[in-house]
Amino acid sequence: GQQVMQIPQYQHVQEGEDFTTYCNSSTTLSNIQWYKQRPGGHPVFLIQLVKSGEVKKQKRLTFQFGEAKKNSSLHITATQTTDVGTYFCAAHNTNAGKSTFGDGTTLTVKP
Amino acid sequence: EAQVTQNPRYLITVTGKKLTVTCSQNMNHEYMSWYRQDPGLGLRQIYYSMNVEVTDKGDVPEGYKVSRKEKRNFPLILESPSPNQTSLYFCASSLNTDTQYFGPGTRLTVL
Repeated sequence: GQQVMQIPQYQHVQEGEDFTTYCNSSTTLSNIQWYKQRPGGHPVFLIQLVKSGEVKKQKRLTFQFGEAKKNSSLHITATQTTDVGTYFCAAHNTNAGKSTFGDGTTLTVKP
Repeated sequence: EAQVTQNPRYLITVTGKKLTVTCSQNMNHEYMSWYRQDPGLGLRQIYYSMNVEVTDKGDVPEGYKVSRKEKRNFPLILESPSPNQTSLYFCASSLNTDTQYFGPGTRLTVL
């Protein structure tokens, strides 16, 4: 079945440093979604990318979808302690409803 | 308030004792899904439902059952729980398999 690999598994940064997590698939994706899960919380939707080469920004967060629609990245500029959590990418088969999540990247930010 | 609710939030049970985790959403969403989250394994889809009376297996359906008799409810049934089903379970709903809204989670321990 569809597999989505996400790296790194963990990232520790000093507050103010940048952070990037990468998501890779062996197959072409119809879309990619990103979620954030705070410690002890539930996943919360951040964004969905659909188009090849798409780039979307949300304040300090930049999301990219690769040209071949097989990879995606989330970049956070100048991390803050509020960015702490686990970031997941997820691929959805829109027609069939199946959903595959990456294993997540857990970000810790040292003040 | 738009939300997904799950009950119970915490449950400790013994091997073989049937249990049901309820999930309800008040957003009139057609799509609902169950996931389990284990350390290092991210979120894995158990079952999903595209609409009432339509359910399909996700990646890890063994040992679980679901039903979708009404649009708002999607209970997860463990007929004979085993210790390897000890996990954190999330229910999610979505209008069109796009943005998924997650419930608060149910932490299940099977002794």
